[in-house]
Amino acid sequence: VQLVESGGGLVQPGKSLKLSCSASGFTFSSYGMHWIRQAPGKGLDWVAYISSSSGTVYADAVKGRFTISRDNAKNTLYLQLNSLKSEDTAIYYCARRVGALDYWGQGVMVTVSS
Amino acid sequence: DIQMTQSPSFLSASVGERVTLSCRASQNINKYLDWYQQKLGEAPKLLIYNTNNLHTGIPSRFSGSGSGTDYTLTISSLQPEDVATYFCLQRNSWPLTFGSGTKLEIK
Repeated sequence: VQLVESGGGLVQPGKSLKLSCSASGFTFSSYGMHWIRQAPGKGLDWVAYISSSSGTVYADAVKGRFTISRDNAKNTLYLQLNSLKSEDTAIYYCARRVGALDYWGQGVMVTVSS
Repeated sequence: DIQMTQSPSFLSASVGERVTLSCRASQNINKYLDWYQQKLGEAPKLLIYNTNNLHTGIPSRFSGSGSGTDYTLTISSLQPEDVATYFCLQRNSWPLTFGSGTKLEIK
């Protein structure tokens, strides 16, 4: 199982960014997937979940601003981040769901700053 | 939302010592409690799921227990490679919520 995030970077407040998580080593379409973030030096915050059938759940802090999606043909998970705020600055991890979050990617840094 | 409270925030122990970390939920989470280990600069790793099930490849010195609102991670004999921050996670209800972590160091 391998999960590789990409798409992070420095972005101004109010702007947008799209993160990707490329999956390999398992049947991606059969698994729900999560995004979790970690602000610098802080703990873990769950962000969003998408089921294998593309049902979605969001944390209140990102609802209406972030969109989780998936492309099973490309074995890729996405997180569209809109209307970014400074408090969204964090490492963003994708993780596979088997009940628990059993495999995580290495994370990608998103910095929101003017 | 379910609040997860971990204690202690910081723990220093000797190699070979038995170590116990705690996690308390603000309501019953029906044993939907996982433990994750995060070493410095790395992504979290699953250690234990559903309170007491060891994830694949995790050494048997790690164990979990608990029920209702109170859960425990035990390391039976602390090793130098166990230096890390440990997080609990409740999956009983949305939103998923993590504890704030216990940072474990070697004395």
